[in-house]
Amino acid sequence: NAGVTQTPKFQVLKTGQSMTLQCAQDMNHNSMYWYRQDPGMGLRLIYYSASEGTTDKGEVPNGYNVSRLNKREFSLRLESAAPSQTSVYFCAGTVGVGPDEQFFGPGTRLTVL
Amino acid sequence: GQSLEQPSEVTAVEGAIVQINCTYQTSGFYGLSWYQQHDGGAPTFLSYNGLDGLEETGRFSSFLSRSDSYGYLLLQELQMKDSASYFCAVSLNGAGNNRKLIWGLGTSLAVNP
Repeated sequence: NAGVTQTPKFQVLKTGQSMTLQCAQDMNHNSMYWYRQDPGMGLRLIYYSASEGTTDKGEVPNGYNVSRLNKREFSLRLESAAPSQTSVYFCAGTVGVGPDEQFFGPGTRLTVL
Repeated sequence: GQSLEQPSEVTAVEGAIVQINCTYQTSGFYGLSWYQQHDGGAPTFLSYNGLDGLEETGRFSSFLSRSDSYGYLLLQELQMKDSASYFCAVSLNGAGNNRKLIWGLGTSLAVNP
């Protein structure tokens, strides 16, 4: 099993460009999450999906959109990248209804110039 | 608002015991989780407390007091590989059964020989 995978691992964008971060899991997760982590900071929730077909905003949703394509895949889109979105992005999933034991992907390191 | 407080840095020596505290002020508290993150890596789940008391998993233990809005992670027989950041995270009730995690800023643990 691959667990939770994220692509790409690294990305450099120019201000105003768009891109989609991909996340896929083969752990039968019901709930999936997108976080960003800035240097020396904890994780901040961007969006989450409690089940296939549903998405909800987290703490910092502005500038992002998500799509829960099916149970396995949960993508994060930046429509018009800004330097403030330079961060490490983590996707995570959990099997149960609750969020507590989350399994994380390796992260995407995004730089916006 | 929601807030979690934990020390920013802790230093200890190999073989010692260290306790990392976490106090929280949140609404809709459901449980307290602990995660470990090595530099450049993704967070990994360590433990969860939904009820008051102590949970033990090998060298790691976690404690929760809901009445005091307080918990801690206890690491025993410290090893060099335990040098990492440790995050506490609170589960909040969301809409319906949608729960999500709010994260502390993390405690950087340095284990010295």
